[in-house]
Amino acid sequence: EVQLVESGGGLVQPGGSLRLSCTASGFTFSNHWMSWVRQAPGKGLEWVANIRQDGNEKYSVDSVKGRFTIYRDNAKNSLYLQMNSLRAEDTAVYYCVRHTTGSPFDFWGQGTLVTVSS
Amino acid sequence: QSVLTQPPSASGTPGQRVTISCSGSSSNIGRNTVNWCQQLPGTAPKLLIYNNDQRPSGVPDRISGSKSGTSASLAISGLQSEDEADYYCAVWDDSLNGWVFGGGTKLTVL
Repeated sequence: EVQLVESGGGLVQPGGSLRLSCTASGFTFSNHWMSWVRQAPGKGLEWVANIRQDGNEKYSVDSVKGRFTIYRDNAKNSLYLQMNSLRAEDTAVYYCVRHTTGSPFDFWGQGTLVTVSS
Repeated sequence: QSVLTQPPSASGTPGQRVTISCSGSSSNIGRNTVNWCQQLPGTAPKLLIYNNDQRPSGVPDRISGSKSGTSASLAISGLQSEDEADYYCAVWDDSLNGWVFGGGTKLTVL
C-alpha cells in the first residue's frame, strides 16, 4: 500500500525555521519526482517545490525562493522541506505529493499543519 | 490571482451533467497536459484526471476531461451527492518553470 506520511509541522514564530519530513512506503521512492503542495486555511492549493528522482533538479514557486529548500534522502525513502524566515502567509497545511511519469500528483499524503504566528 | 482561471462555484442536481472550466495561456495549458484533482471536505486531494483525459484506476467513466487550445474542462455526468467537493486543475507552466493550480471550483449537489 502506497503511503506518504508527513511530520514536522507546528507553531513557529515569524522569522523562525521548521523542517518538514515525508516518509514514503509501498513504492520505489527513488523512481519518482516529488513535490510539496500547500493549502492555506480556507484557500486553494499552491505548489511549493519539486525535486527530481536523484535530487539534482529542483524547482520552487517564487514566493519561497531563497527561504525554502526541498531535498530528499532516497536511502531513507524520505522527502524534506527546510523552511526558513517563515512568514504569516506561509501558514498552511503542507502536503507531500508523488509524481509518476505521465501522471503527476498521483498520490498525496494527509498533510501537516504549519502555523506561523507570534 | 491564479494563473489558471476556474469558476469559484458550480452546482447541479442528482443525475445532471456539470462541467468545470479551466482557462490558461500559451505557456501552460497551450503547451502541456492538464490534470484535475478532487478534494472532498476535510480530506487530502486526490488525482481525478491526468494527461487531459486519462482516468486513474478507480475513477468512474462518468468523469471525463478535455482540452482545447488554452482551455480545459472537467465533466461529471450522472451527478451524485458524493461528487460534492472542490476541484482543481493543475498544469506545468513553461514560463514560470513550475506547477500552477487553478483557484478551485466548489461543486454543490443540490
